[in-house]
Amino acid sequence: AQSVAQPEDQVNVAEGNPLTVKCTYSVSGNPYLFWYVQYPNRGLQFLLKYITGDNLVKGSYGFEAEFNKSQTSFHLKKPSALVSDSALYFCAVRGGYNNNDMRFGAGTRLTVKP
Amino acid sequence: DAGVIQSPRHEVTEMGQEVTLRCKPISGHDYLFWYRQTMMRGLELLIYFNNNVPIDDSGMPEDRFSAKMPNASFSTLKIQPSEPRDSAVYFCASSFDAGLLPSSYEQYFGPGTRLTVT
Repeated sequence: AQSVAQPEDQVNVAEGNPLTVKCTYSVSGNPYLFWYVQYPNRGLQFLLKYITGDNLVKGSYGFEAEFNKSQTSFHLKKPSALVSDSALYFCAVRGGYNNNDMRFGAGTRLTVKP
Repeated sequence: DAGVIQSPRHEVTEMGQEVTLRCKPISGHDYLFWYRQTMMRGLELLIYFNNNVPIDDSGMPEDRFSAKMPNASFSTLKIQPSEPRDSAVYFCASSFDAGLLPSSYEQYFGPGTRLTVT
């Protein structure tokens, strides 16, 4: 079965600095990878996904992520963090087209300080 | 589209009572998922449907939980009888699988129902 690990419970960055939220995955077959963001008292919002093609994917709000097959990683990045980026971020994986069982990581709380 | 709609947004009930949570998925989506989120256990998949048919209910914690999807635009998650340990935020999400079309595969979440069982 597929699984996701988010090794950091908390990430703190200063506004204007680059941010990285880490994610590694385990899956048999080709992974479909996703990032979601959750603001307080809200549902999860889709940010970006990797299905196939270019390893660098761009998503909402200036976020991007790079699929690295050899390191089985899909780290979320943003060149310049905003205070409004502070939220809970989830990485998720499913094992390809015929497998709709999506597994979410435990989440990483990002705090951007002014 | 209004997105995934869940009701109620908040539910407070006493132990032993029946609780019914409701979800309306995005029109055109053929998958529907029920999740539970707690601080201790994170986000757990309870059950998911494809074209109104339950596909995997292995995440349903016990027989007190049941879910139905009588048609493409409505699903319920029922807990009977409820217990304090069922207190959590319950999310419904929907998606569709359609090759490489935009918006394919990612799940769209509702705002959640915060359940408190006293």
